[in-house]
Amino acid sequence: ETGVTQTPRHLVMGMTNKKSLKCEQHLGHNAMYWYKQSAKKPLELMFVYSLEERVENNSVPSRFSPECPNSSHLFLHLHTLQPEDSALYLCASSQVGAGSSGYTFGSGTRLTVV
Amino acid sequence: AQTVTQSQPEMSVQEAETVTLSCTYDTSESDYYLFWYKQPPSRQMILVIRQEAYKQQNATENRFSVNFQKAAKSFSLKISDSQLGDAAMYFCAYRSTGNQFYFGTGTSLTVIP
Repeated sequence: ETGVTQTPRHLVMGMTNKKSLKCEQHLGHNAMYWYKQSAKKPLELMFVYSLEERVENNSVPSRFSPECPNSSHLFLHLHTLQPEDSALYLCASSQVGAGSSGYTFGSGTRLTVV
Repeated sequence: AQTVTQSQPEMSVQEAETVTLSCTYDTSESDYYLFWYKQPPSRQMILVIRQEAYKQQNATENRFSVNFQKAAKSFSLKISDSQLGDAAMYFCAYRSTGNQFYFGTGTSLTVIP
């Protein structure tokens, strides 16, 4: 399998639940990202991992907790979410330092908080 | 901070015709990269075309080409011979030398048969 794979594709969770989103990349990239995509808004960068170290955390609420156990895997742990957290969560990877390399995105997880 | 503006929330084009999607950006950097991504209903963002700011020649990829105007900070996407499969959201993106990406709000393209 190639590219960036995200699971699950859809997730419905209550505000008191705990769940995790998973992202896996098979491209040998050295950086991975979590983005939140809401309707009519620019993509919001949530977390950046470069060489498995978190290098950016854009004021994301603590109810979102990332984990990057190795360069191929990225998780987003969710707990006590709010309805406004409902969105499409996109994972991406890239090769930092590779010139004009862009992102490779996964298909996203559509999250609905009820 | 860099910003990316897509002023056309929605566009439509007749099949086989040409359409141009607009993008402007704001930056104080001289070296950077620009991208157009396509997001079809399958939701996966797919890279359509990229442009290095230091290159004067406009990038082309088959039916897709850009009009890069560095002084005007403009980066429009032209789709020629539009096909039904081109219907999607299109996002313009800016990548700084520090590897930070900034995205526009997107343009929804409808292709009319």
